[in-house]
Amino acid sequence: EADIYQTPRYLVIGTGKKITLECSQTMGHDKMYWYQQDPGMELHLIHYSYGVNSTEKGDLSSESTVSRIRTEHFPLTLESARPSHTSQYLCASSEGNNEKLFFGSGTQLSVL
Amino acid sequence: LAKTTQPISMDSYEGQEVNITCSHNNIATNDYITWYQQFPSQGPRFIIQGYKTKVTNEVASLFIPADRKSSTLSLPRVSLSDTAVYYCLVDGRNTGFQKLVFGTGTRLLVSP
Repeated sequence: EADIYQTPRYLVIGTGKKITLECSQTMGHDKMYWYQQDPGMELHLIHYSYGVNSTEKGDLSSESTVSRIRTEHFPLTLESARPSHTSQYLCASSEGNNEKLFFGSGTQLSVL
Repeated sequence: LAKTTQPISMDSYEGQEVNITCSHNNIATNDYITWYQQFPSQGPRFIIQGYKTKVTNEVASLFIPADRKSSTLSLPRVSLSDTAVYYCLVDGRNTGFQKLVFGTGTRLLVSP
């Protein structure tokens, strides 16, 4: 049903590496979101975007950065990964206000 | 941003009706109430959304009393595959909050 894709699905990297988590949607949605979720815990909003060239930080402080150069693409970057960044990262999009969110399958990141 | 409170966990058996109640005392006039379902290692999936009274779709029903300070998600005749975490959210994006905040959710365990 959802045309939103995240890659990679799983990623294991060493401390200090720069990584980019990809998120793409083919639904033409203006709004996109990044959530972070630890196992068994709640989702925390870390970034969101209203549209192209618009990005905002979410409720949870994150050392990651995002960009929105194209409507369909909302990548998340960690310049220098640390073990504390180990978590599941979920990308979502919606068409507008009060419209439901479509989530990707997530990227499970493990930093050693 | 209205905070939601829902039970941490619930147990049920196959074929039973499950009702999960969520309180949102500070809900604003233009806020919507939305429920999502999440399976392990997946992103949440939209179930149902409502503003007042009752909403029903092929998956669930949502009951919202007149004061809108609470809502109840009703799952008819649950099966083992309904075992998941269910999130109640107050969607305030229509009032300028460009965020959708997930709480801790209710873990539903359906047994044979």
